[in-house]
Amino acid sequence: EVQVVESGGGLVQPGGSLSLSCAASGFTFSSYSMNWVRQAPGKGLEWVSYISSSSSIIYYADSVKGRFTISRDNVKNSLYLQMNSLRAEDTAVYYCARAGLLAATGLYYFDYWGQGTLVTVSS
Amino acid sequence: DIQMTQSPSSLSASVGDRVTITCRASQSISSYLNWYQQKPGKAPKLLIYAASSLQSGVPSRFSGSGSGADFTLTISSLQPEDFVTYYCQQSSSTPLTFGGGTKVEIK
Repeated sequence: EVQVVESGGGLVQPGGSLSLSCAASGFTFSSYSMNWVRQAPGKGLEWVSYISSSSSIIYYADSVKGRFTISRDNVKNSLYLQMNSLRAEDTAVYYCARAGLLAATGLYYFDYWGQGTLVTVSS
Repeated sequence: DIQMTQSPSSLSASVGDRVTITCRASQSISSYLNWYQQKPGKAPKLLIYAASSLQSGVPSRFSGSGSGADFTLTISSLQPEDFVTYYCQQSSSTPLTFGGGTKVEIK
């Protein structure tokens, strides 16, 4: 069974740092691209970052570029998000999502999601 | 950035009704469009990918159509568990973007 489980959320002061982890199981982690997607309380979904299977391609949303760093460890089957210079507007549930790929067209979709971990940025 | 606009933002319907949710992209995205369902307090769930392909395990009452900039998600006969929120998402280019969501409520 495919599973992704996030951890590391919590309360942090503005300007602080936090590191999120996502443990994957039930599939060949090293073969899949991964993403972080967040959802502020009562709001919609916002894509945060993408990392390819080999870490050779990385993308960020403009709202986090320069502050957040995505990484992965294919030996440990884990995805990470290092978040620095946190702001109140970063308060959200952060989801780890596997990127399924329709090879014929290059279309990506988020086919498996974790339960999310809540990050609260407040003094 | 490609903006995704969903309409309506909410709708009221009854069990057994047929409902259609629309998603419009700010530019052509071919068929690079996915739909998700989200229940309160839960992670989103993939329903439809590539505009019209049903994800494995998703009931056949869900269907998607469209290409270019205009897309629809149709639920042919609403069931009690379908009264939740739906999102479209484009994967044509980064940043990957979602629509604002459509909440389906019980009339």
